[in-house]
Amino acid sequence: EAGVTQSPRYAVLQEGQAVSFWCDPISGHDTLYWYQQPRDQGPQLLVYFRDEAVIDNSQLPSDRFSAVRPKGTNSTLKIQSAKQGDTATYLCASSFMANQDTQYFGPGTRLLVL
Amino acid sequence: GEKVEQHESTLSVREGDSAVINCTYTDTASSYFPWYKQEAGKSLHFVIDIRSNVDRKQSQRLTVLLDKKAKRFSLHITATQPEDSAIYFCAASMNQGGRALIFGTGTTVSVSP
Repeated sequence: EAGVTQSPRYAVLQEGQAVSFWCDPISGHDTLYWYQQPRDQGPQLLVYFRDEAVIDNSQLPSDRFSAVRPKGTNSTLKIQSAKQGDTATYLCASSFMANQDTQYFGPGTRLLVL
Repeated sequence: GEKVEQHESTLSVREGDSAVINCTYTDTASSYFPWYKQEAGKSLHFVIDIRSNVDRKQSQRLTVLLDKKAKRFSLHITATQPEDSAIYFCAASMNQGGRALIFGTGTTVSVSP
């Protein structure tokens, strides 16, 4: 069974540029999470979906970040105008609600904003 | 909201010794406590979890203990091996059908020969 896949693996931007991250969850997983992991810190939730619905986006900086999961499968996280403080690894995870909640993480996208 | 504190930032042990990582949480509604391992340059890998209906769970060399009264849980690694060297993260969530995890800050475990 394929794991969670993410692309790109790395991104380097100047401040003010836009970037999109893509995530393909494990097949059949209904819940998809985006976490931000700054260097030397634990992951922090940005947003999560159940199927195509946003369940919690309270930690998503809504003025610059957006996330969608239109068909309840793949998801895209977009940063409209990146800041140096956005430098972090962006992790996607998925789980199957009825399967005891174990979340499986993808390899992450490392973002550097100059 | 929930906060998870991971008490040891680094832990150095000799191969074959045991390692213990301690975490505390604040929200009594939390009922699911997984542990993840992150090797250098890699993503998080699930290692073991415990739910609030039990106070101990073992998987091979890993044991998780949960003390709900003290709001504390711990990961015990026995007979450590060099491949156990990594950053370990504890986390907590309210297990009501797929909830986001609140992570600790991580413990860097180094196992020396």
